[in-house]
Amino acid sequence: QQQVKQSPQSLIVQKGGISIINCAYENTAFDYFPWYQQFPGKGPALLIAIRPDVSEKKEGRFTISFNKSAKQFSLHIMDSQPGDSATYFCAASLGAGKLIFGTGTRLQVFP
Amino acid sequence: EAGVAQSPRYKIIEKRQSVAFWCNPISGHATLYWYQQILGQGPKLLIQFQNNGVVDDSQLPKDRFSAERLKGVDSTLKIQPAKLEDSAVYLCASSLVAATAYEQYFGPGTRLTVT
Repeated sequence: QQQVKQSPQSLIVQKGGISIINCAYENTAFDYFPWYQQFPGKGPALLIAIRPDVSEKKEGRFTISFNKSAKQFSLHIMDSQPGDSATYFCAASLGAGKLIFGTGTRLQVFP
Repeated sequence: EAGVAQSPRYKIIEKRQSVAFWCNPISGHATLYWYQQILGQGPKLLIQFQNNGVVDDSQLPKDRFSAERLKGVDSTLKIQPAKLEDSAVYLCASSLVAATAYEQYFGPGTRLTVT
């Protein structure tokens, strides 16, 4: 199975709160799990990525948690800000540039 | 460093007409991708080029879609004839080296509306 299942479809968070987006996969051949951020009218931009042999990766306010046995990974946005309002896509890489994207989560952060 | 350029940004055509999209990747990026993003969904890979050769076109509807990358730089994606279900944003992306090919740089996309 080459699908990546993403939830929730939309998320509303207060400024300063924690945003959590979850993804699940089946194919154990995936070699990287990136997260992309997309603002309206723009193309997706790489936010952070993790390898399957690492359980957590943190970059600033963004953290990926990875559970290899459960085939699940999640993005945590700490201290969420209105500027974080965007659509977030998890993805899985099959190597050589082949990315399978999730369906996206629309995040709205209210002041 | 200039980003991935795409044109046009918007296009409205009637069904059965043809349309072409243009992409100029980041300088030095050998790999170029075309994605289709239907409203409310994630991008779906249509075709991947390595220099001017096709690496993967397994999800390209070849009866109506075609793409080329002459001289290993710019690329064009064509749809002929267009169907209503082709309404989507067409994204072009590029990446530098195979080892970090999950790191792709996307252009702003072309929003196609087929009426």
